[in-house]
Amino acid sequence: DVKVTQSSRYLVKRTGEKVFLECVQDMDHENMFWYRQDPGLGLRLIYFSYDVKMKEKGDIPEGYSVSREKKERFSLILESASTNQTSMYLCASSLKRSGEKLFFGSGTQLSVL
Amino acid sequence: AQSVTQPDIHITVSEGASLELRCNYSYGATPYLFWYVQSPGQGLQLLLKYFSGDTLVQGIKGFEAEFKRSQSSFNLRKPSVHWSDAAEYFCAVGVMIKAAGNKLTFGGGTRVLVKP
Repeated sequence: DVKVTQSSRYLVKRTGEKVFLECVQDMDHENMFWYRQDPGLGLRLIYFSYDVKMKEKGDIPEGYSVSREKKERFSLILESASTNQTSMYLCASSLKRSGEKLFFGSGTQLSVL
Repeated sequence: AQSVTQPDIHITVSEGASLELRCNYSYGATPYLFWYVQSPGQGLQLLLKYFSGDTLVQGIKGFEAEFKRSQSSFNLRKPSVHWSDAAEYFCAVGVMIKAAGNKLTFGGGTRVLVKP
């Protein structure tokens, strides 16, 4: 089975801190994604990457950046955390083929105080 | 830009009763359509997907969905609900990006509660 692993299940950070969320997949997938999930808003795409060192903005990239130095790892960075970034963050990966399904990690619940 | 609307935020259904979850999408071309389920404390799991062909798609756990192009809809159904179906359900539309696969746009989700 494909495994997408997010490094932390829960994180508590302070306003202004730099925050790193890590995601690793073990199935050699080309594509990786970061979503945030908020009640009533569903999942919203922050950034995605379809190759090493490649990144594309999603629908809500403001306040975030990403890094993909190795194929299996995709990091989400909050340069200066703010309270409105308190959310559930979901990482996903997929093959680079049209119509491929996404495999999701279990999520990181981030609280910014 | 593509979008997905799930009109029902919450649905309560009795165990053994039928279930239908609505999904409407907006996209200029023929879409790839997906339904995912998120059980409490679990990650998202794919229930089924539609690309082309037969407009009635069968998925896991006894779910099916019907694609209706004229209505821009992709509603999810289950004839008889089990208590374990209590979860949040997300509809998504997949959009091709630079021949690099697709990215998914999700609806707001529908939370299903199952009464004994």
